[in-house]
Amino acid sequence: SQKIEQNSEALNIQEGKTATLTCNYTNYSPAYLQWYRQDPGRGPVFLLLIRENEKEKRKERLKVTFDTTLKQSLFHITASQPADSATYLCALDRATPLVFGKGTRLSVIA
Amino acid sequence: EAQVTQNPRYLITVTGKKLTVTCSQNMNHEYMSWYRQDPGLGLRQIYYSMNVEVTDKGDVPEGYKVSRKEKRNFPLILESPSPNQTSLYFCASSFTLGTAQETQYFGPGTRLLVL
Repeated sequence: SQKIEQNSEALNIQEGKTATLTCNYTNYSPAYLQWYRQDPGRGPVFLLLIRENEKEKRKERLKVTFDTTLKQSLFHITASQPADSATYLCALDRATPLVFGKGTRLSVIA
Repeated sequence: EAQVTQNPRYLITVTGKKLTVTCSQNMNHEYMSWYRQDPGLGLRQIYYSMNVEVTDKGDVPEGYKVSRKEKRNFPLILESPSPNQTSLYFCASSFTLGTAQETQYFGPGTRLLVL
């Protein structure tokens, strides 16, 4: 079955720096790879979706890359702010129910 | 407003007392799903439904039941709750492209405590 690893349980960075979060998967390449933000006690909120034939996607200060050779996605937040502090989840799908990683808890320190 | 609603938001119950958590979406999504989230274990899928009258087990279905009689509703039933079902539960919905799921919209969560 598909396995997903988000390689950091927690990540602390200084305000203004770029945060980079990693999502690695095994087995087959997904049709979609999605990133979500989750605040404590609340449901995940969709941020970005990248398809298997796309290398990069951007939205404001967010950038996602997708390398099917490395079986890896990188999620970047540029000019990070304390308000970006949250848990970020990656999720993968290909003809199966969406599978979520355990998430990386990002703390942006002022 | 497009949304997924869950009720109740908080529930304390006792072992063995049947309960139902409701989930409703107003986006005409085909796909609906239930997850539970526990510390250190992440989001784990309980059951999902690709459309009306079509349901299937996720990763952790034991002790749960679901039904999908209408497109908008997907209730989660615990026939005989046990303390190990204490958790934070999320309902989610999305459109589908073939059998792949598009963006998931999550409900606000139901925090369940089983004594």
